Amino acid sequence: AQTVTQSQPEMSVQEAETVTLSCTYDTSESDYYLFWYKQPPSRQMILVIRQEAYKQQNATENRFSVNFQKAAKSFSLKISDSQLGDAAMYFCAYKKNNDMRFGAGTRLTVKP
Amino acid sequence: GAVVSQHPSRVICKSGTSVKIECRSLDFQATTMFWYRQFPKQSLMLMATSNEGSKATYEQGVEKDKFLINHASLTLSTLTVTSAHPEDSSFYICSANRGQEDQPQHFGDGTRLSIL
Repeated sequence: AQTVTQSQPEMSVQEAETVTLSCTYDTSESDYYLFWYKQPPSRQMILVIRQEAYKQQNATENRFSVNFQKAAKSFSLKISDSQLGDAAMYFCAYKKNNDMRFGAGTRLTVKP
Repeated sequence: GAVVSQHPSRVICKSGTSVKIECRSLDFQATTMFWYRQFPKQSLMLMATSNEGSKATYEQGVEKDKFLINHASLTLSTLTVTSAHPEDSSFYICSANRGQEDQPQHFGDGTRLSIL
């Protein structure tokens, strides 16, 4: 079974600074999809960014970018110019066909 | 706007009550929907995959008779927690995708279930 590991239960960043959240996964597949979701206190799951495994280029969405290392099965999220609204739980997710698995999550605190 | 609607958002009821939660895809047909359970400060745990017109596929350890899933149409899946007890109190979230593998899942806003 595929597993997703987020080794940082909590992270903290100063407003306007940059923070990187780590994620590793285990799979024997070559084609799959990776996602980062944000869950604020409202508990709504919000898609932050996604990456197709067959693409070597790292995905970027405004202040959010990923470092995708397929051989290492690593998928980290970098948040630049952190804002107070970025404070939330962040979940890394692996998807193959209809099967999506989540990591345990990283709670990000943004200090003003 | 929201593409998946989940209702109700909050339920408080007595032990022994059965509770139904609805998950609707608003502007697309979803042959497959997913039901997750999330405990406080923990990740989403997949409970079952809801398949339109057929039986749901349950994850190991999830009681089928306890958590009844019905997916009678392409836009609606329901989760019924039967004879709920305090240990069933949790946050339940549904999701659906538009059918293409490269599409992310769209989540409902979740249902906070509290059994007294």
